[in-house]
Amino acid sequence: QQQVKQSPQSLIVQKGGISIINCAYENTAFDYFPWYQQFPGKGPALLIAIRPDVSEKKEGRFTISFNKSAKQFSLHIMDSQPGDSATYFCAAPRGSGTYKYIFGTGTRLKVLA
Amino acid sequence: DAGVIQSPRHEVTEMGQEVTLRCKPISGHDYLFWYRQTMMRGLELLIYFNNNVPIDDSGMPEDRFSAKMPNASFSTLKIQPSEPRDSAVYFCASGGLGSYNEQFFGPGTRLTVL
Repeated sequence: QQQVKQSPQSLIVQKGGISIINCAYENTAFDYFPWYQQFPGKGPALLIAIRPDVSEKKEGRFTISFNKSAKQFSLHIMDSQPGDSATYFCAAPRGSGTYKYIFGTGTRLKVLA
Repeated sequence: DAGVIQSPRHEVTEMGQEVTLRCKPISGHDYLFWYRQTMMRGLELLIYFNNNVPIDDSGMPEDRFSAKMPNASFSTLKIQPSEPRDSAVYFCASGGLGSYNEQFFGPGTRLTVL
């Protein structure tokens, strides 16, 4: 069964530091690769997404790096803040335009004040 | 828009009982997804609908689980009979109008089966 491997499982970063979360995927469709952010007691919400024909996308402090040949992509959070403390999920598309995604197992990030 | 609405938010039931979870997607969205989230298995896709038609139910764990979408504004996920291992947070999500194939998740239903 198709999988998305996400690491690390948990991450503790000092305020102002860089948080890096990695994902590796197997064969997948050509479509958006999103990252979702989930706060306790809430549903996941889209944070940032990238198409596989782009190597990097930056939105504010959040950057996705995409390596198509290695089938890997990562989320970088610059100048991490306590408010970034949440669980982050990567996802890979199962079929183009179908909105069907396989989610990674999640990374619990804690940013210390 | 109020976003995706799920009810109940919490459900505690005893093993063997029937459980029905409800979802109202965002108006205009033509995709609806049901997910289950546990610590051990993460976020699992159970089933998804397109234009009220079930497209892929390969994630439904067994015949005890069933889902329906009688119209564009309502869906149910039923577990009958429920078992303790069904305890999890169940999310409904909808999509179809946003960029990036974005799925909009509801707040979830926390199910505890005793």
